[in-house]
Amino acid sequence: RKEVEQDPGPFNVPEGATVAFNCTYSNSASQSFFWYRQDCRKEPKLLMSVYSSGNEDGRFTAQLNRASQYISLLIRDSKLSDSATYLCVVRPYNAGGTSYGKLTFGQGTILTVHP
Amino acid sequence: DVKVTQSSRYLVKRTGEKVFLECVQDMDHENMFWYRQDPGLGLRLIYFSYDVKMKEKGDIPEGYSVSREKKERFSLILESASTNQTSMYLCASSLFGTANEKLFFGSGTQLSVL
Repeated sequence: RKEVEQDPGPFNVPEGATVAFNCTYSNSASQSFFWYRQDCRKEPKLLMSVYSSGNEDGRFTAQLNRASQYISLLIRDSKLSDSATYLCVVRPYNAGGTSYGKLTFGQGTILTVHP
Repeated sequence: DVKVTQSSRYLVKRTGEKVFLECVQDMDHENMFWYRQDPGLGLRLIYFSYDVKMKEKGDIPEGYSVSREKKERFSLILESASTNQTSMYLCASSLFGTANEKLFFGSGTQLSVL
């Protein structure tokens, strides 16, 4: 089983739609969770961190379910500019200290928003 | 803004050549990383370093080595390039010791090994 798994999509949605992505992780002791966004032929950039209580940033809402070991990203009122690959990222349990900062990426979910 | 600079955007090498990929960051970050990204496989960690002269293997270190002689520079070395090392290589850096550390990536090097 992969450490971090995402549905690769692609998701094709019209402008204004609401779309949700899920991601599962295998290590129950994982500590930190993030969503990164990667535009075509560009580097990944942090979209938002995911907190235990859930958090929102404008049209984007992230949720964490530790019991079921998944995180989700909800995008409301989709814009054409939201078209990108969304990467689920997990920081595994740090047992030894030296692996602090090491992150594991899912393969990404492709989103295309069309007019 | 943090800047992570990779020396080449595109690189074409021949099988068996020794290849150096250079990465420089300007924000005094302790952590630096090398990932490769392949379609359907996502980003996979090759090596990372949390301090000068310190390095740790990531998930796929075979065929690679790294060098970190100065804090701002992290080099990835392919001792003898092979065709299965054709990939997009991404360097990243982050600040040590923050709970929600943000990775800053370079723009990537697309390496083709012929």
